[in-house]
Amino acid sequence: DAKTTQPNSMESNEEEPVHLPCNHSTISGTDYIHWYRQLPSQGPEYVIHGLTSNVNNRMASLAIAEDRKSSTLILHRATLRDAAVYYCILRDYGGYQKVTFGIGTKLQVIP
Amino acid sequence: SQTIHQWPATLVQPVGSPLSLECTVEGTSNPNLYWYRQAAGRGLQLLFYSVGIGQISSEVPQNLSASRPQDRQFILSSKKLLLSDSGFYLCACDESYEQYFGPGTRLTVT
Repeated sequence: DAKTTQPNSMESNEEEPVHLPCNHSTISGTDYIHWYRQLPSQGPEYVIHGLTSNVNNRMASLAIAEDRKSSTLILHRATLRDAAVYYCILRDYGGYQKVTFGIGTKLQVIP
Repeated sequence: SQTIHQWPATLVQPVGSPLSLECTVEGTSNPNLYWYRQAAGRGLQLLFYSVGIGQISSEVPQNLSASRPQDRQFILSSKKLLLSDSGFYLCACDESYEQYFGPGTRLTVT
């Protein structure tokens, strides 16, 4: 499985934008970049995904580097409810899809 | 979208005792199903996955086993628990490009 590298932790002030980086230098051409987040004592939840182009949804934006070897999850205005562990993972689509979650980035939002 | 049920929510078991955790899925048919474990302060470890009834693949050799007796039922078992089996157990299923997770079972082995 192609692997991802994320900082262990980050801090952000409330109502400021947050940029969460992810490196995936061994990404293959058919790997999609997914982001999930996990609130305390809950299972992870899907945030966003993309292949090559930048993506936006109601939760966040995903910026993908032109060479696809890195990406950034952007939370436009951090709230206290965004404090969570954020996972960047790669998924190929071809039948069964094994997903490998790393340790992720623990985001702390400071009021 | 589907809903994943897991029970129990919390469980305290002595070392050497058996284990049975159940996961059921509503709102989809023939899903890919997964069992993950998360130790305290750690990432998610994939334990088992299943692409259909009776089809189980193990990712990590250990004293746990899994079964899928029905299309939307996935069971995690152990004959004898170890201290190292403590953790947060999550059941998940695929729906299109998303993986949905259940609420989890927090297991403490004493």
